[in-house]
Amino acid sequence: QVQLTESGPGLVHPSETLSLTCTVSGFSLTGYSVYWVRQPSGKGLEWMGRMRYNGDTSYNSALKSRLSISRDTSKNQVFLKMNSLQTDDTGTYYCTRGGSGWGQGVMVTVSS
Amino acid sequence: NTVMTQSPTSMFISVGDRVTMNCKASQNVGTNVDWYQQKTGQSPKLLIYGASNRYTGVPDRFTGSGSGTDFTLTISNMQAEDLAVYYCLQYNYNPTFGGGTKLELK
Repeated sequence: QVQLTESGPGLVHPSETLSLTCTVSGFSLTGYSVYWVRQPSGKGLEWMGRMRYNGDTSYNSALKSRLSISRDTSKNQVFLKMNSLQTDDTGTYYCTRGGSGWGQGVMVTVSS
Repeated sequence: NTVMTQSPTSMFISVGDRVTMNCKASQNVGTNVDWYQQKTGQSPKLLIYGASNRYTGVPDRFTGSGSGTDFTLTISNMQAEDLAVYYCLQYNYNPTFGGGTKLELK
């Protein structure tokens, strides 16, 4: 059974760095790409970036200067780091394999 | 980035209605479009992949069509459980979502 679970701090202060972990099970990170998607409260979905099955990454051009995605295949984990957070980065962050494989999301609030 | 423009942004509908929503891409994306349904407080759920292929378990009242720049999601016999926000997603280039169409009861 495919499962993805996001984890990370619920509160980040402005200008600090957000670090999130996506732990997967039921599939291999060397066989499937994993994506990060976020959703500001009450707004739509935004594709942030992806870790491809072969280790390559690609990013939303609007976030590229602040965003880094990496992985540890031995731990079945994909990581997101985004720096210089501001209040409009507040929202729910999802990791997904695409299709039907989505995490439940983690709420991140940027506030002092 | 490829911009996906969804219309309308919201619709007031009744149970039993036929519902049509649209997604227009700013450039040709072939048939590399998915449709997602998101209910309040839930993760998005895949309905349609490759523009017109119904995902496993999705009721046949959901139909996707289109190619190139113009795509449509149709719900043939609206049910109360279909109240949600619907998003298109293109993945021909770096993926981008449309802004969503919210279905609400009249």
